[in-house]
Amino acid sequence: KQEVTQIPAALSVPEGENLVLNCSFTDSAIYNLQWFRQDPGKGLTSLLLIQSSQREQTSGRLNASLDKSSGRSTLYIAASQPGDSATYLCAVSPGDDKIIFGKGTRLHILP
Amino acid sequence: DAGVTQSPTHLIKTRGQQVTLRCSPKSGHDTVSWYQQALGQGPQFIFQYYEEEERQRGNFPDRFSGHQFPNYSSELNVNALLLGDSALYLCASTSSRGGFQTQYFGPGTRLLVL
Repeated sequence: KQEVTQIPAALSVPEGENLVLNCSFTDSAIYNLQWFRQDPGKGLTSLLLIQSSQREQTSGRLNASLDKSSGRSTLYIAASQPGDSATYLCAVSPGDDKIIFGKGTRLHILP
Repeated sequence: DAGVTQSPTHLIKTRGQQVTLRCSPKSGHDTVSWYQQALGQGPQFIFQYYEEEERQRGNFPDRFSGHQFPNYSSELNVNALLLGDSALYLCASTSSRGGFQTQYFGPGTRLLVL
């Protein structure tokens, strides 16, 4: 059974710092991995999607990496801003189209 | 181009009642999935509808049922509500022509069961 774990559960950093969020999954047989952002009480916004054949994806200040063999992914956020404060969810698709999510990392950027 | 829309945005029910949530997929999408997100948890897959049939189902009891209409919109029905059904219910749509890749999520319906 696929399980997704995110560490840390919560993180507070001063504005301007670079930071890394971690995600691990137990079954390496995945079709893709996604990172989502969720603002309080809101829906999900897809940030980055990495296909199983890819190693990383970049969008602006965000960079996500994928190491399928070790069951790990990281989301790197450069030069953090207060507007980056949100919950970040890691999710994998085992190929049958449903998405399995971690519990998320609550990020707070201190002005 | 409207994205995924859901209604209502908020709902309050009492134990034992029944509720219906609605979802309209993104334009061009024909597949709808439903997820339940309890407070402080990640979303959990409930089921997926394609061609008006349930294509996949997660580990949810039969009290949770759904329907997809010919215009690809979908309903989620929950019978005999329990306090533990209080959650944010998210709808996601995707396209079979795109190999069911890249799901787009709606804003969710927040259900409170008293």
